[in-house]
Amino acid sequence: DAKTTQPPSMDCAEGRAANLPCNHSTISGNEYVYWYRQIHSQGPQYIIHGLKNNETNEMASLIITEDRKSSTLILPHATLRDTAVYYCIVRVDNNDMRFGAGTRLTVKP
Amino acid sequence: DAMVIQNPRYQVTQFGKPVTLSCSQTLNHNVMYWYQQKSSQAPKLLFHYYDKDFNNEADTPDNFQSRRPNTSFCFLDIRSPGLGDAAMYLCATSLRDGRPFFGSGTQLSVL
Repeated sequence: DAKTTQPPSMDCAEGRAANLPCNHSTISGNEYVYWYRQIHSQGPQYIIHGLKNNETNEMASLIITEDRKSSTLILPHATLRDTAVYYCIVRVDNNDMRFGAGTRLTVKP
Repeated sequence: DAMVIQNPRYQVTQFGKPVTLSCSQTLNHNVMYWYQQKSSQAPKLLFHYYDKDFNNEADTPDNFQSRRPNTSFCFLDIRSPGLGDAAMYLCATSLRDGRPFFGSGTQLSVL
C-alpha cells in the first residue's frame, strides 16, 4: 500500500505562504496524490490533485518531486479561514481513498 | 447547490437499536463511499460501491452493512449500535478515478 506521512501540526502567520509537506515514498507510477482539508465538523473539501507535474488552481499549488516520493501543498497567502486539518492521500486502487493522519494547520494573526 | 446530501445531520439512537443513515447524490457518480470519523481522528473508509459492486474494507465490523438501491442513493445500516459507534459518518461520491465529493456528514450519538 502506498501510505502518506505528514507532520501532525504546523503554524503559519496570516498572509504568509503555508507549505505543507507529505511523504509517499511507496507511491506507484499511476497513483495520484490528492489533497483535502477538513474544517471542524464539516465534510472534507477537495483542494487539488496531481500525478507528476506541478499543479495550481485558485486555492493552492501542488509541488511533486521528480521521484514522486514526496509533495508539498502551498497556500500562497494563508488566511485565518485556512485553519483546518489537511490530508494528503495517495489513491491506492481505482476506487479506494484512504486518509492518513493529516496535518493540523493553524493560521495565526 | 448541495450535490452529496446526507440526512439527517444529527442522529441519536439507543444502544442496540438499529439505525440507518442515508446519502443521496445529484452528480450521477458511479462510486459511493462510506467513512467513519471518530473525534480527533481521520476518516476511516468502511466500504464503497462501484456501481452495484460492493467492496468491504477488511476491518469493517459485520455490524455495519450498506445498501445501494440505485445510482442516487446509498444507505449505511448499523445493526446493533454500541457506544463505540458514536462518530461522524461521511458519504462521498466520485466517478471512476475521479475526485471524491463529500457530504456534510451525519453525527451519530448512541445513548
